[in-house]
Amino acid sequence: EAGVAQSPRYKIIEKRQSVAFWCNPISGHATLYWYQQILGQGPKLLIQFQNNGVVDDSQLPKDRFSAERLKGVDSTLKIQPAKLEDSAVYLCASQRQAMGIYEQYFGPGTRLTVT
Amino acid sequence: AQSVSQHNHHVILSEAASLELGCNYSYGGTVNLFWYVQYPGQHLQLLLKYFSGDPLVKGIKGFEAEFIKSKFSFNLRKPSVQWSDTAEYFCAVSGGSSASKIIFGSGTRLSIRP
Repeated sequence: EAGVAQSPRYKIIEKRQSVAFWCNPISGHATLYWYQQILGQGPKLLIQFQNNGVVDDSQLPKDRFSAERLKGVDSTLKIQPAKLEDSAVYLCASQRQAMGIYEQYFGPGTRLTVT
Repeated sequence: AQSVSQHNHHVILSEAASLELGCNYSYGGTVNLFWYVQYPGQHLQLLLKYFSGDPLVKGIKGFEAEFIKSKFSFNLRKPSVQWSDTAEYFCAVSGGSSASKIIFGSGTRLSIRP
């Protein structure tokens, strides 16, 4: 099966600019996640979708970050305006659930550099 | 709240050496445990997982991990490492009512000397 697709792979912007990332999950996976991975750290969950509804966005900085998954498939994550500390890799993952067992599949990530 | 600790930030080994990466978690209920690997330039991949049953879990590429409930640990092992095992390794946990939400450790960078 095709994996999780993300674009762009790399993005360089200046602080206070806006940026958007796109994710296409594995077909049939209802749950989708966005993570932020700062260099030297593990991925940190930003937001979790179940179909097109938000399950958990408690760690999303809502003053500047937004995300949507309008048709329950593709998702976009936006940062507006960007800060230097937003430099990180943004990972998208989708989840397969079977018999109560959850397994996440990750995309290649988008490396964001804010200058 | 759930948390995961990986105490080794960077491990350097020679080829054929044995490997053990530590992982401790903090959670009082039933847990699901994972090890993910990120090879240079590649995306995160699942190495192995524990949900229930035999606490000794075997994964891909000769890796295994043992769940020791009394020690809240899920250490990753490999008897003989290869240069191609050079990567970043992440331990992760999920559980309870948030079984689908995974918390990651900070990762251990493994460097193998050829």
